[in-house]
Amino acid sequence: NAGVMQNPRHLVRRRGQEARLRCSPMKGHSHVYWYRQLPEEGLKFMVYLQKENIIDESGMPKERFSAEFPKEGPSILRIQQVVRGDSAAYFCASSSQGEDEQFFGPGTRLTVL
Amino acid sequence: KQEVTQIPAALSVPEGENLVLNCSFTDSAIYNLQWFRQDPGKGLTSLLLIQSSQREQTSGRLNASLDKSSGRSTLYIAASQPGDSATYLCAVINTGNQFYFGTGTSLTVIP
Repeated sequence: NAGVMQNPRHLVRRRGQEARLRCSPMKGHSHVYWYRQLPEEGLKFMVYLQKENIIDESGMPKERFSAEFPKEGPSILRIQQVVRGDSAAYFCASSSQGEDEQFFGPGTRLTVL
Repeated sequence: KQEVTQIPAALSVPEGENLVLNCSFTDSAIYNLQWFRQDPGKGLTSLLLIQSSQREQTSGRLNASLDKSSGRSTLYIAASQPGDSATYLCAVINTGNQFYFGTGTSLTVIP
């Protein structure tokens, strides 16, 4: 049973471009969580999704950031018009139920030039 | 709002020493608490998960304790090894399964 998969592992974008980060949860998991780890800071919760629903997006920046978890396929974290301050490691986690243990992916390291 | 603090921010010990990492949180209404290890440039590895009804969990040379009433958890590492060098993160989990992470303790074990 493969763990949580994230791709790409490293992503380089120039300012103003779009970044798309993908997360495939563990098999059988229908809950996905996104976290951001800024340099010298801890991980911060961004958004919690179930299939086709956003449950909690209290940690998402109000502009340029969006997330989805379609019925088929991976969860996508989309950052439009990236800025240097978006450079960070973005981690995805999944769980089978809302209250169950979360399992973390290896992260995507975004660098904005 | 839950605030999680980890002390010390960095720790350097000689190989073989026992050590304690500290984690404190401001809101005691937690669901679980989890300790992770993060190696440079890598993802998170779960070490121990303590449910709110539990006082401690053990795995090999690791022992984590939880005192909800005082808002504290400790991670005890026995007989440290150079391979233990990493950043250790404490995460408090609320009933909505939302994680609040500390900023971590960077551990270096000197051979």
